[in-house]
Amino acid sequence: DTEVTQTPKHLVMGMTNKKSLKCEQHMGHRAMYWYKQKAKKPPELMFVYSYEKLSINESVPSRFSPECPNSSLLNLHLHALQPEDSALYLCASSRLSSLGRGVPGELFFGEGSRLTVL
Amino acid sequence: SQKIEQNSEALNIQEGKTATLTCNYTNYSPAYLQWYRQDPGRGPVFLLLIRENEKEKRKERLKVTFDTTLKQSLFHITASQPADSATYLCALVDNDMRFGAGTRLTVKP
Repeated sequence: DTEVTQTPKHLVMGMTNKKSLKCEQHMGHRAMYWYKQKAKKPPELMFVYSYEKLSINESVPSRFSPECPNSSLLNLHLHALQPEDSALYLCASSRLSSLGRGVPGELFFGEGSRLTVL
Repeated sequence: SQKIEQNSEALNIQEGKTATLTCNYTNYSPAYLQWYRQDPGRGPVFLLLIRENEKEKRKERLKVTFDTTLKQSLFHITASQPADSATYLCALVDNDMRFGAGTRLTVKP
């Protein structure tokens, strides 16, 4: 079983809804990530939080809003999504490596939240 | 532009043989490279990490090589088993982590 917990596992929402995806880890990791994965495609990086601060935003549309309330929790707030946003949303965490460049160690992924936008 | 290519979308092999998967990259200077396994509908699971100054890493039936001159990593599974059937992703780590498209491995009994 993964040590990164994502809820809900499945979410169906309309284009006018507001919903949130949640992610929790208790491994003491100080980097947390959101990835989006479409079928038969690799995970695409969306956001990176390092020490609870947003360090990378891969030009993600503002209808996706991340939040890191503390070092164990990561949320992704969803509003006014489009059907093409339907995908598997993966949360991951990692230690920050000792290389001194802020690069991550191995990523621990959650099982994902399967989002369907109608 | 930066590219990570896993040049086999799918690989079918017979049980007991060695599976070899390839990851090539361009316009990257990765600090290290990682390999992950992903089963359908689940999150990727870390397998092995190899640093830029390492040539080879092993873990049980798994072996990874890393050639920074060729800009290539090879991932081997020896004595393959049907349970090894999955998608295998390489990931390059520089200031963040980027994944290749993956190779779907099927091991037939």
